[in-house]
Amino acid sequence: DQQVKQNSPSLSVQEGRISILNCDYTNSMFDYFLWYKKYPAEGPTFLISISSIKDKNEDGRFTVFLNKSAKHLSLHIVPSQPGDSAVYFCAASAHGAGSYQLTFGKGTKLSVIP
Amino acid sequence: DAEITQSPRHKITETGRQVTLACHQTWNHNNMFWYRQDLGHGLRLIHYSYGVHDTNKGEVSDGYSVSRSNTEDLPLTLESAASSQTSVYFCASSRGTAYNEQFFGPGTRLTVL
Repeated sequence: DQQVKQNSPSLSVQEGRISILNCDYTNSMFDYFLWYKKYPAEGPTFLISISSIKDKNEDGRFTVFLNKSAKHLSLHIVPSQPGDSAVYFCAASAHGAGSYQLTFGKGTKLSVIP
Repeated sequence: DAEITQSPRHKITETGRQVTLACHQTWNHNNMFWYRQDLGHGLRLIHYSYGVHDTNKGEVSDGYSVSRSNTEDLPLTLESAASSQTSVYFCASSRGTAYNEQFFGPGTRLTVL
């Protein structure tokens, strides 16, 4: 049973436009959510996170939105740049339940076309 | 600077051989994790450790083992390598803060022939 789902395996966006990556989760115990970015032949790197008590967190060009009632979060990248081309993983944590684990989605490959 | 390293970066082995992948972190993190990344599956947890002498099975632990004799290292052993274990392996560590942010190593690409 997949607890964190990224239903779009890939996404192509023109440079300068907005990229929207989506993520759904099923476990109500998740209280923190993170996005990781991964380039080929490198390890994933942390990008941005959000607590379940918030509905938005912004860091420069990156904004994460959380809709807790819908169990849905999204990552917005504005404006998109060619260097943003990577695989993006959504991850969730049930820290309040005493877990130190992250549950990852399968990832979305973003291609930003110049 | 603190970091997390993995070795080797690439490994080719034969079916049935024992293989050990190394992971070393200098952050003094208590929590360490091993994942495998496969096309269509994302990152799947193999084993994890919350401290010295503590080890736990993850989602895909069959055929793998770990041991934690110190804070810095969590080696992953494939007891008898199988072709299904051809994958990219990532090690990660975390402090255990609320967000459980994990820091990943560069990965080891393992091919089992």
